[in-house]
Amino acid sequence: DIQMTQSPSSLSASVGDRVTITCRASRSVFTYLNWYQQKPGKAPKLLIYAASSLESGVPSRFSGSGSGTDFTLTITSLQPEDFAIYYCQQSFNTPTFGQGTKLEIK
Amino acid sequence: EVQLVESGGGLVQPGRSLRLSCTASGFTFGDYPMNWVRQAPGEGPEWIGFIRSQAYGGTTEYAASVKGRFTISRDDSKGIAYLQMNSLKTEDTAVYYCSTSRASNWYDFDHWGQGTPVTVSS
Repeated sequence: DIQMTQSPSSLSASVGDRVTITCRASRSVFTYLNWYQQKPGKAPKLLIYAASSLESGVPSRFSGSGSGTDFTLTITSLQPEDFAIYYCQQSFNTPTFGQGTKLEIK
Repeated sequence: EVQLVESGGGLVQPGRSLRLSCTASGFTFGDYPMNWVRQAPGEGPEWIGFIRSQAYGGTTEYAASVKGRFTISRDDSKGIAYLQMNSLKTEDTAVYYCSTSRASNWYDFDHWGQGTPVTVSS
């Protein structure tokens, strides 16, 4: 299986900040990379698919980039509702998720 | 609006069986593959398997961790997907979610249910 490694594992930021979360795959997944947001007690929510495509209804302050093994999720101008756990997931073959990045309020 | 509602979770002893259901509405259920994803406490999600639509033979794929113990099926007439879990182990304790896939990639999970918790303990 392809291993997905996220960094950092946790991150403190303030409302209005710009933050970047990184995801690395153990081998190339081309652009088969998704990002999810999960809030406590809720299911994950798809934010970004195919590395950089914004899922319908997701605010434009979320963006994704990368290809091959290295990917980033960027959130510009953090809003209070953005504090959550973020997961990357490769969709190239048998799906695997990263361990998550917890975004906390500073 | 797409809605997925899981049911059937609960407390079960190791070695026993449990069947989960995922009742779908708001879309043409038979046209889409259905996935099951689980999440153990404090861990990231883990994909455990999916079933293709009948147009693709209704065949299934499983993660190595559950292959041979778990079986996914579907009843398109009722709009329900099932997860039959046999020979349960304590490490199967998790919240179990069903999800749909985007049409362009079966491994893009675009809609999820609220999840049903399964606890395997004696």
